[in-house]
Formats: sequence, C-alpha cells, structure tokens
Amino acid sequence: DIQMTQSPSSLSASIGDRVTITCRASQTIGTYLNWYQQKPGTGPKLLIYAASSLQSGVPSRFSGGASGTDFTLTISSLQPEDFATYYCQQSYITPFTFGQGTRLEIK
Amino acid sequence: EVQVLESGGGSVQPGGSLRLSCAASGFTFSSFAMTWVRQAPGKGLEWVSTISSSGDNTWYGDSVKGRFTVSRDNSKNTLYLQLNSLRADDTAVYFCARYEYSSSSNRWFDPWGQGTLVTISS
Repeated sequence: DIQMTQSPSSLSASIGDRVTITCRASQTIGTYLNWYQQKPGTGPKLLIYAASSLQSGVPSRFSGGASGTDFTLTISSLQPEDFATYYCQQSYITPFTFGQGTRLEIK
Repeated sequence: EVQVLESGGGSVQPGGSLRLSCAASGFTFSSFAMTWVRQAPGKGLEWVSTISSSGDNTWYGDSVKGRFTVSRDNSKNTLYLQLNSLRADDTAVYFCARYEYSSSSNRWFDPWGQGTLVTISS
C-alpha cells in the first residue's frame, strides 16, 4: 500500500498568516493527489484535485503544489473559516490512502 | 444542487449485520462511480470501497474484503453498503461520496455526505 505522510500533524496560526502543509507519498503517484478540508461533525470537502487544480467554488487563497513525491497545500492568508483538519489522499492506485491529517488551530 | 445523503447507521452487536444507504440527487447517478470512506472516532479517513457506474466492478480495502458488499440501484439513485460479521474496529462514521475522474485519469471524491454512525458494541 502507498503510505501518505503529512506534516505537521497540528499547527497553530493567526488570521492572515501564510500556512503550508506537506504530504509525502511512499512511492511515485504522479499528480494523483487530492486535498480535503474537514470541519467537526461534517464530511470532508474537496479543495484541490490532481495536485494543483482548485475545485470550483474554493477560494483562491488555497493552492496546491507538487515536486516528485512531495506535495503541498498552501493557504496564502488564513481566514477564520479555514480552521479545520486537512487531509491529503492518493488516488493513484487502490487502496486509496489518506494522510493522517493536519489540525489547523487558531493561535 | 449535487448532494449525497447517508442513512442506516446504528448500534449493532459484534458479529451482526447492517445495511447502509446513500441517496444521491442533483446529478446523473448512473454515470458516476461511487465510493465509501469511514472514519473511526477521533481518527483519520479510511477508504472502504468503490463501485463502478454500472455496478459491474467493485473494489474493497483489505480490512473489509469478504465482509462488506457494495451495490447500487441506478433506478433509485441509491448506493448501498452491506456490512456483515461486524467487529468492534468497524465502529466509525461511514461517508459516501461521488467518484470523479478527469480525461487524464486523475480521480477524486466529491461531494461527500454528512456520514452515518455505526457503533459495534456488546
């Protein structure tokens, strides 16, 4: 199975900060990498698909990047509604695996 | 509006069975593959199963293979997950999601439902 390792596991930041979350795949997955946001009590919401494509309706402060087996999710200027847990997911091959999540908290 | 809505969760004893449903609306259900993902309390996300648009092809995670069965009724716009031989570690919120893919074969899950809680306890 492909292992997805996210870092950090938790992060404290302030409104307006620029934040980057990293996800590393245990083997090559091309651009088969997605990012989701989850708030308590709700299902995940797709933010970025195919490593860097912004899902329709998602604010442009969210962006995704890729370099080899390393992937990033960047929020350019944190807003109050961005405090949530973020997951990466590889869709290269089954079993589709997720990172362990990054909890983004208000400082 | 494109949406999916899960139902059927509940509390079951170990070894028992349960059938989850996922009602889809706002899109042509029969044109899309669908998927189930679960989340144990306080834990991360685990892919469970995917079914093709026609229902002819199915895929399962190793932890549920042989115990869970995914199916669909395209005439009712509904996805199902039959859970058998349930164990304590199957306790989780179960989400359904539409499985999308692009011309370059990239694929992702969107949208997701709110989930339905399955609790396995004696």
